Amino acid sequence: EPEVTQTPSHQVTQMGQEVILRCVPISNHLYFYWYRQILGQKVEFLVSFYNNEISEKSEIFDDQFSVERPDGSNFTLKIRSTKLEDSAMYFCASRTVHNQPQHFGDGTRLSIL
Amino acid sequence: AQKVTQAQTEISVVEKEDVTLDCVYETRDTTYYLFWYKQPPSGELVFLIRRNSFDEQNEISGRYSWNFQKSTSSFNFTITASQVVDSAVYFCALSEEAENNDMRFGAGTRLTVKP
Repeated sequence: EPEVTQTPSHQVTQMGQEVILRCVPISNHLYFYWYRQILGQKVEFLVSFYNNEISEKSEIFDDQFSVERPDGSNFTLKIRSTKLEDSAMYFCASRTVHNQPQHFGDGTRLSIL
Repeated sequence: AQKVTQAQTEISVVEKEDVTLDCVYETRDTTYYLFWYKQPPSGELVFLIRRNSFDEQNEISGRYSWNFQKSTSSFNFTITASQVVDSAVYFCALSEEAENNDMRFGAGTRLTVKP
């Protein structure tokens, strides 16, 4: 069964550095999402992406964050200048058409030192 | 705005006990979807069930069952004869068709099943 894959599984970065989290959604999916889960807390919506543009973003998704689909397969989340509070698990998700369920990747654990 | 409440932060049971995890939601949309996910210690989100707002039929899958009641805006999850492997954090989530299907999660319930 096709899966959403995320790399790396764990990323350690110094505060202030840029980080790019990568996701390969399922190939025929059209809608893409990033979620964040701070340790011990709930999963929070960050951003949704459709037709090569952001369709919705939460208040967490400030100017430090950006998303991109640079080619036909990857979907990336960039954090420009990381802060300690960016340490979290980041989940990518994708789905086909409008009312189909989202499929989640296994997450990337981001640790900011 | 959509909202999901899981009032039980932590539940601890002994193996073979039945346990029910509560989920209450708020939405103004008439078409929406409810989900349960399991998050084991390894961290991934394991999809358990999706239910749309027009299907109030309860569902049973092995030891798992779900009770969807629109009248009380609840979507509760019961594990029958719990096992140690059921120990995890369980999240209830909601997505509204009108809101681009973005998923909003509850705070989660940590279930510990002791041998």
